[in-house]
Amino acid sequence: TQLLEQSPQFLSIQEGENLTVYCNSSSVFSSLQWYRQEPGEGPVLLVTVVTGGEVKKLKRLTFQFGDARKDSSLHITAAQPGDTGLYLCAGGDTSGTYKYIFGTGTRLKVLA
Amino acid sequence: EPEVTQTPSHQVTQMGQEVILRCVPISNHLYFYWYRQILGQKVEFLVSFYNNEISEKSEIFDDQFSVERPDGSNFTLKIRSTKLEDSAMYFCASSASRGSGANVLTFGAGSRLTVL
Repeated sequence: TQLLEQSPQFLSIQEGENLTVYCNSSSVFSSLQWYRQEPGEGPVLLVTVVTGGEVKKLKRLTFQFGDARKDSSLHITAAQPGDTGLYLCAGGDTSGTYKYIFGTGTRLKVLA
Repeated sequence: EPEVTQTPSHQVTQMGQEVILRCVPISNHLYFYWYRQILGQKVEFLVSFYNNEISEKSEIFDDQFSVERPDGSNFTLKIRSTKLEDSAMYFCASSASRGSGANVLTFGAGSRLTVL
């Protein structure tokens, strides 16, 4: 069974600080997605990374897929209160199906 | 922007009752999914559906669960006899294509099911 562990589980920081969220597994994934989920809403896709070592930037967010496609990180520069939410990574299954397996989640709170 | 619509947003039911959760996927999408999220826990895959049949289902998706696309637009999840542990947020998702990097899921806002 493919599992994705995220760390930290909870993170509370001041506006303007930088942070990194990690998504780790012992399994290889075909691709890796990051989502943000607001309370009472469904996950919203932020990015998909496909190639080992791939780095993608989305404004102040930088996503990296590990070389071995087993892990990923999300780095936020100069966090803002609007970044507050639940961040989820999801790995593309490699067993011939197309489902995504979600990580355990990181709940971020950015204080003004 | 196209969106996935789910109804009801919240349903409260008694244990043992049947529940149907409805989803209207994005109109040109071909692949449909149900996920659930128990409060405070991670999002779990339930089932995927393509070409009017189940592509894959998880261990959670037992005989009490079924899915249907009755009319070409709605995609439903039925729980035949609800249990307390079925209480969760159920998310529908759809995608236009499959394959590594191309499987971009669009999620609905979810249906919260509370079983008493």
